[in-house]
Amino acid sequence: EVQLVESGGGLVQPGGSLRLSCAASGFTFSTYPMSWVRQAPGKGPEWVSAISGSGGSIYYADSVKGRFTMSRDNSKNSLFLQMNSLRAEDSALYYCAKGGLYAGDLGYWGQGTLVTVSS
Amino acid sequence: DIQMTQSPSSLSASVGDRVTITCRASQGISNSLAWFQQKPGKAPKSLIYAASSLQSGVPSKFSGSGSGTDFTLTISSLQPEDFATYYCQQYNSYPFTFGPGTKVDIK
Repeated sequence: EVQLVESGGGLVQPGGSLRLSCAASGFTFSTYPMSWVRQAPGKGPEWVSAISGSGGSIYYADSVKGRFTMSRDNSKNSLFLQMNSLRAEDSALYYCAKGGLYAGDLGYWGQGTLVTVSS
Repeated sequence: DIQMTQSPSSLSASVGDRVTITCRASQGISNSLAWFQQKPGKAPKSLIYAASSLQSGVPSKFSGSGSGTDFTLTISSLQPEDFATYYCQQYNSYPFTFGPGTKVDIK
C-alpha cells in the first residue's frame, strides 16, 4: 500500500524558513516522479514543484521559484521541500504526491502538513 | 501557463442523478488531464487520469472523456458519498494547473 507522510510544517514569521519532509513507502520510490502541491484554506490545490525519479530534473511554479528548493533522497525514500523567504501567501496545507507514468498523474497524496506564515 | 476552467462552479443534485462536470483548457493538452475528488478535511483523491482512465479502486460510476481542450467528468448515479468538490488538472506542460473546482451538494 502506498503511503506518503508529510512533516515539518509549523508557524514561521515572514522571511523565515522551513524544511518539509515526506516519507514514502509501499512502492519503489526511486522509480517515480514526485510533486509538492499546496492548498490554502478555502482554495483549490496549487502545484508547487516536481522532481524526476532520479532527482535530475526539477520544476517549480513561478510563485516559488528562487525561494523553494525540492530534493529527494532515494536511499531513504524521502522527499524534501526547503522553503526560504516565506511570505504570508505561502500559508497552506502542503501535500506530497506520487506521480505515475507521467509526472503530473498524481495518483497518491499524503495527508498534508500545515504551514502558517505570520508575525 | 495553461488556464483551466470548470463549469458549473457548483450544482445541487439528488441521489441517483446523473451528473456531468465540464473542464476546459486554454490551449490543447491532448489527453493529459486528471480529475480529483475532495471532501472537507481530506486530501484530494485521484479518480481519473489520461482524461478517461479510471484509477485503481475507483468505482465505474465515474467516467471521463475528452481530448484537446474540452473534457467532462460524469457520475452515472450520484450516491451520498459522492457529495464533494471536484477538480480537473492538466499535466501536459509545466506548471501543472488545476481548475477552480465544482462543488456538488445535496438538493
